[in-house]
Formats: sequence, structure tokens, C-alpha cells
Amino acid sequence: QLQLQESGPGLVRPSETLSLSCTVSGGSISSGTYYWGWIRQAPGKGLEWIGSVYYLGSTNYNPSLKSRVTMSVDTSKIRVSLKLTSVSAADTAVYFCARHSGVNYAYEYWGQGILVTVSS
Amino acid sequence: EIVLTQSPDFQSVTPKEKVTITCRASQSIGTALHWYQQKPHQSPKLFIKYASQSISGVPSRFSGSGSGTDFTLTINGLEAEDVATYYCHQSSSLPWTFGQGTKVEIK
Repeated sequence: QLQLQESGPGLVRPSETLSLSCTVSGGSISSGTYYWGWIRQAPGKGLEWIGSVYYLGSTNYNPSLKSRVTMSVDTSKIRVSLKLTSVSAADTAVYFCARHSGVNYAYEYWGQGILVTVSS
Repeated sequence: EIVLTQSPDFQSVTPKEKVTITCRASQSIGTALHWYQQKPHQSPKLFIKYASQSISGVPSRFSGSGSGTDFTLTINGLEAEDVATYYCHQSSSLPWTFGQGTKVEIK
């Protein structure tokens, strides 16, 4: 059974960079048919798509965050990374990693999520 | 960007009652519309993919329909375990977007 586990600091200072990892177990991260996504949810709010990354490096980002987001896949460490620069309180949210396939664009697998608070 | 608008925002339902949640897209998305269930403090769980395709392990009382701009998630006979927030999600056009969510509670 595929499992995704987010990790990273729970507190980030304003204007700094948020860095999260998603460790994949129970399945391959470098299969030619899977894409890895990041979705976030501000407290009490709905879901916001941040972007997705293919293991060979191609990415798609939400234009609202594109200038600040970088996603990558580290196949040797079996993890997917998210970096978000110049954070503010508006970036406080639970961050989820998730997987969809190349033929099925619904997110079938999700991590449990990690709460990141931006505060000084 | 495609905007997904769900209605209602909140629904209070008696057990075994039928629940209908709609999701309207701001432009046609074919059937690239998926439904998720999210319970408090949990990650979303895929319940319906591509408008009407069922997901293994999801109770058969859940069904989806629609195409183009109008979609429906139906729960035929609400059970206590169905109390949750439901989100639609479109994968037709980047950036992918979600509806604002519909919270379903037991009356």
C-alpha cells in the first residue's frame, strides 16, 4: 500500500523559505506514469492546488504561487520536495502531498498533511 | 482559471435521507471532475473520479453524474459516517482547482 509522509518545520518566519519533503513508501517514485502534487489548506478553508512535478523534472505550478514555488523529485531518497519562498501569514496552512497517475488525474493517494505556521 | 462553485455550502440531513451536492464549472470541463471526502483533521479521500466512476472501497450509496459544466454527487441514504466536507476538483485545465466545499452534517 502506497504511503506518503510529509515532513518539515512546523514554524517558519515571515519572508523566509518554507521547505517540505514528502517521503514515499510502498511504491516507486520514479515510475513513468506517476505525478506528485502539493495541495494546501489554510485553517478552516478549502483546498488550494499548489502544483505538480513529474519524476523527470517537469513541473506545473499554480500561477498565483509560481514566482515563489519550486518542486522537485529526489529519486535516490524517494522523496518529493516543495520550496516556497518569501512566505507570509497567508501561507499558513496544512500542506498535503498527493499522487495521481498519467492517465488518471484524480488524486488517489494523499499524505496525512503537515501544518506550517508562518509567524515571527 | 476554471472556477468551481459548489452548492449548498452546508447541508443538515436526517439519517437515511438522500443528499445531493452540485458543482458547477465556469467553463466546460468534459468529465474531468472528481469528488473527495474530508473528515476533520484528516486528508481528503477520493470518492468519485471522472464525474461518475466509482472508487474501490467507497460505499455504493455514493454516486456521481454530470458532464460539461454541471455535476452532482449523490449520497443515497446518509449514514453517520458520511458526516464530512465534500470537495469537487477539476483536472481539465491548469491550474487545477477545487470547489469551496460542502459540509454535510446529521440533523
